[in-house]
Amino acid sequence: KNQVEQSPQSLIILEGKNCTLQCNYTVSPFSNLRWYKQDTGRGPVSLTIMTFSENTKSNGRYTATLDADTKQSSLHITASQLSDSASYICVVILYGNNRLAFGKGNQVVVIP
Amino acid sequence: DTAVSQTPKYLVTQMGNDKSIKCEQNLGHDTMYWYKQDSKKFLKIMFSYNNKELIINETVPNRFSPKSPDKAHLNLHINSLELGDSAVYFCASSHSGGSGGGELFFGEGSRLTVL
Repeated sequence: KNQVEQSPQSLIILEGKNCTLQCNYTVSPFSNLRWYKQDTGRGPVSLTIMTFSENTKSNGRYTATLDADTKQSSLHITASQLSDSASYICVVILYGNNRLAFGKGNQVVVIP
Repeated sequence: DTAVSQTPKYLVTQMGNDKSIKCEQNLGHDTMYWYKQDSKKFLKIMFSYNNKELIINETVPNRFSPKSPDKAHLNLHINSLELGDSAVYFCASSHSGGSGGGELFFGEGSRLTVL
């Protein structure tokens, strides 16, 4: 079983609407949790990095939250734009050896 | 002024051939990685080098041989290519150390298709 599970696997939303992506993890202890955006045909790009003691981190219209007690994180996209169409990957970094545990990504498609 | 650059971007080759993918970073990072992304978009670590030393080798077949001539370069050579090697290969780099390690910067990927 993967240590990082993301849901929904894919999502279609109308331009201008908000959406929330979920990431549940079993990795423990962990150093930090990251969200990456991967456009089609491109490499992943970092959106947010949160340490285990942080609850929320924003990057423009992207807001990530973290609940270390329930081992859940979410990425909220506000007022979606066509350019938000991408895969969003949740990554948890293991404490100590800094190994990365990747989720399979949430595929978001924004339609006009 | 690309941070992490890899070549070629596309590679189509026959089964059994040997091919190489090159990666260079100009960020001054001391750690470089190779990841494989399969058709299901799942990223899996293959190798990690820190200051030219191999630190992670994730049970990758020995047909795959990474080479790091210096801290800024990490090349991937693949012998006797198989159909299952078809994937997108991503190079990445970061600073090591610190809690959680440094931020990871990815290249644009090299799509390998084995026929």
